[in-house]
Order: sequence, then C-alpha cells, then structure tokens
Amino acid sequence: GAGVSQSPSNKVTEKGKDVELRCDPISGHTALYWYRQRLGQGLEFLIYFQGNSAPDKSGLPSDRFSAERTGESVSTLTIQRTQQEDSAVYLCASSTFDRRGYEQYFGPGTRLTVT
Amino acid sequence: AQSVTQLGSHVSVSEGALVLLRCNYSSSVPPYLFWYVQYPNQGLQLLLKYTSAATLVKGINGFEAEFKKSETSFHLTKPSAHMSDAAEYFCAVSDGGSNYKLTFGKGTLLTVNP
Repeated sequence: GAGVSQSPSNKVTEKGKDVELRCDPISGHTALYWYRQRLGQGLEFLIYFQGNSAPDKSGLPSDRFSAERTGESVSTLTIQRTQQEDSAVYLCASSTFDRRGYEQYFGPGTRLTVT
Repeated sequence: AQSVTQLGSHVSVSEGALVLLRCNYSSSVPPYLFWYVQYPNQGLQLLLKYTSAATLVKGINGFEAEFKKSETSFHLTKPSAHMSDAAEYFCAVSDGGSNYKLTFGKGTLLTVNP
C-alpha cells in the first residue's frame, strides 16, 4: 500500500520567508510525528499528534515553528520567518497506536534550504 | 532523559565481512530500542526493534541485534556484508514515559568495499 508521502521534496527559500511542509500519513495510522535532520546529525523530535489528543509540541525549537493536523489525516508544518539554521531535512512519520513499541514509518522527507 | 551514542560515524567493511555497528543507550526505565536504515535520498526504514521480549532480535536483510542490559548496548550485526548494505544506520530509543517519542543517535555511515 501507499507509504508516507511528503511535499515538496525540495524547497529553497529566502531568509525571512514563511514555508509550509506537508505530510500525508499512511491510511489508518492515528499517530503522526515530525522530525528534523540536520546535516551530519541524528533526527530531532519536533512534534507528535495522536488522534484527538493535544499534540506534544515539546520538540519545537522556537515559536516560529508550528504544526497542524486535520483529524487523522494530513499534517502541515509551518516555519515562519525562516533562518539559515532552519536548513535541514524535515521528516514525517506515522504509526498505529501500539503500546508494545511504536513502529514508525517514515516519509522521504523535505529538504529545506534557506538562503 | 533518554540518550543514544553510536560509536563510529563511519564504518568501512569489505564485501562478505562481518558488519558490527555499535549503539549504547541510557535510560531510566526499560527501553524500547530500534535500528533504522536510510538509503541515499530515501526515508528511514525500520530494520528491527526490541520491545522487552527476546533479547536477540532478528530483522530484515539478515541483520540482527542483541539487547544487553548490563552493557546498556544494542549493537547491530550482519555476518556477511553485501554491497547493497551501504547506507546510514540509526539507533533509537523510546522515551520511557511516553513510548512514542524516539531519541536517535547521530548515525553510522556504512561503506562496503568490493
């Protein structure tokens, strides 16, 4: 079946502009995650959505970052007034709600370059 | 807080040789542990996971990992490397208080030489 999809695959933007990144999770997956992967680094957790529960935003690095999710469907990560340090690959993942250990399925990512 | 240390940012092996990628973790609660692989320009793919069942976990593509609580380790091995194994490998541990949040290591780039 279809996996997690993300768009755009690449985004180049000027410093100070706003960007929106989109994630389509696997159908039926109630949980959705955003991560950031900087060059040469591991993945940093940004935000987690589970059903209708309040999202866990503890990983968002600043108030310029926000994310929304419509029900158990599409999510959008928005970065306002982008800075050069925001350049990274932004990965989205989804999973079922499995207390034995959440097996997360990742999308291909959006590579963001801030010039 | 959870943390993961992957020893060696780059490992190079010959085709047919043993692959050993090291991962050590810290956790105040029994962890769930994961290995993911990332091929160039692709998303992460789960190789295997440990969720408090058998300590020796077998994954896809002939990889396996052993959970050693006394050593706080979860090293990834494969008896015989194949050219197609060349990729970046990430070890991750779940947040004990809320199992969904993964903390990743910085990754190990595996190169396989012919």
